[in-house]
Amino acid sequence: AQSVTQLGSHVSVSEGALVLLRCNYSSSVPPYLFWYVQYPNQGLQLLLKYTSAATLVKGINGFEAEFKKSETSFHLTKPSAHMSDAAEYFCAVSPNTGNQFYFGTGTSLTVIP
Amino acid sequence: DAGITQSPRHKVTETGTPVTLRCHQTENHRYMYWYRQDPGHGLRLIHYSYGVKDTDKGEVSDGYSVSRSKTEDFLLTLESATSSQTSVYFCAISEWFSYEQYFGPGTRLTVT
Repeated sequence: AQSVTQLGSHVSVSEGALVLLRCNYSSSVPPYLFWYVQYPNQGLQLLLKYTSAATLVKGINGFEAEFKKSETSFHLTKPSAHMSDAAEYFCAVSPNTGNQFYFGTGTSLTVIP
Repeated sequence: DAGITQSPRHKVTETGTPVTLRCHQTENHRYMYWYRQDPGHGLRLIHYSYGVKDTDKGEVSDGYSVSRSKTEDFLLTLESATSSQTSVYFCAISEWFSYEQYFGPGTRLTVT
């Protein structure tokens, strides 16, 4: 069975500081992995995805994530937080055999001026 | 942006009444999904469709039914709404070769 664990339901960072949002997955085979962002009262928007190519994936808005098979992790980072990054972030996993997706419970990012 | 609309965007209904939510896409994608989003639970899959008239259950399907008679439309029905079904409902679409999902704007449903 697939599952995703996001450590920390709330993360606060100062503007300009490093953003690190944690995601660990459980899967019997290397899956596809995704990060989505949700701004208030909106749907989810894809930030980036890993589909077994390069382990370091670059996404939109300066975010990137690294797939580490040995740690079963796919943490999201951004070197310098901006006020506009304040949002809810979801990690998701999909087995590479189909089109079902499993989401984590989300991490709310607050950026302090 | 992917062409996905949901209707209605907001609805308040009473316990025991039937409710139907509509998802419409203009992308001709094969897969369509219904999720509910609740605090502390993230997004949970209710039902999904892999083609016209082809649907399957997700992890929280009890109390919900779906139908897909056309590629572009995916309907979610609550036969008899309960307060536990108060939630925000999202529709999503994907294509089999891309493994990406695109989400609609959501429907906020309140059952009183």
